[in-house]
Amino acid sequence: QQQVKQSPQSLIVQKGGIPIINCAYENTAFDYFPWYQQFPGKGPALLIAIRPDVSEKKEGRFTISFNKSAKQFSLHIMDSQPGDSATYFCAASPGGFKTIFGAGTRLFVKA
Amino acid sequence: DVKVTQSSRYLVKRTGEKVFLECVQDMDHENMFWYRQDPGLGLRLIYFSYDVKMKEKGDIPEGYSVSREKKERFSLILESASTNQTSMYLCASSTGQLYGYTFGSGTRLTVV
Repeated sequence: QQQVKQSPQSLIVQKGGIPIINCAYENTAFDYFPWYQQFPGKGPALLIAIRPDVSEKKEGRFTISFNKSAKQFSLHIMDSQPGDSATYFCAASPGGFKTIFGAGTRLFVKA
Repeated sequence: DVKVTQSSRYLVKRTGEKVFLECVQDMDHENMFWYRQDPGLGLRLIYFSYDVKMKEKGDIPEGYSVSREKKERFSLILESASTNQTSMYLCASSTGQLYGYTFGSGTRLTVV
């Protein structure tokens, strides 16, 4: 019940495409859903986050869509660029300190 | 620029050695965390601390211990290193329950 399932494992898109990464959870106590971006040799960095009282949040080219009834959320990257090539992690926190991370998605944006 | 600093980028240790991984943050954050990152498994929580001298077990605490004697420093200890502890170790800090984490760059530990 504590898992966060993330898909796909890897994703290749053309520059300008819109990669979509999906996550699903089971624990209804989760109330904070962040996404992290990780470049090789670096630690993950917070990209964008959403609370379950909203269905969508945009920050620049990054959008989170949240479906509370389905217990799913997804990250969309608009007008993707080669510089967006990285590993993306979804995560969920049950209002405490034990943030649970998905397995990660390796994104490659072709120039 | 605020940051979380992990003392070593790469470490190679022998089986059975006691290993110390150090983490320091300069943001005056209350909460600190240790995760390990393995391909296909994402990040898994080892231990966390919400105050000085306080610690809580995460999802995979076996074989590890931690120490937090000062607010800015959180150490991960492998009491007797084993080959299955070869991994990337990530330290993070946060200021509250519903805020994101700031991660260090990680320590890649190899146990031979």
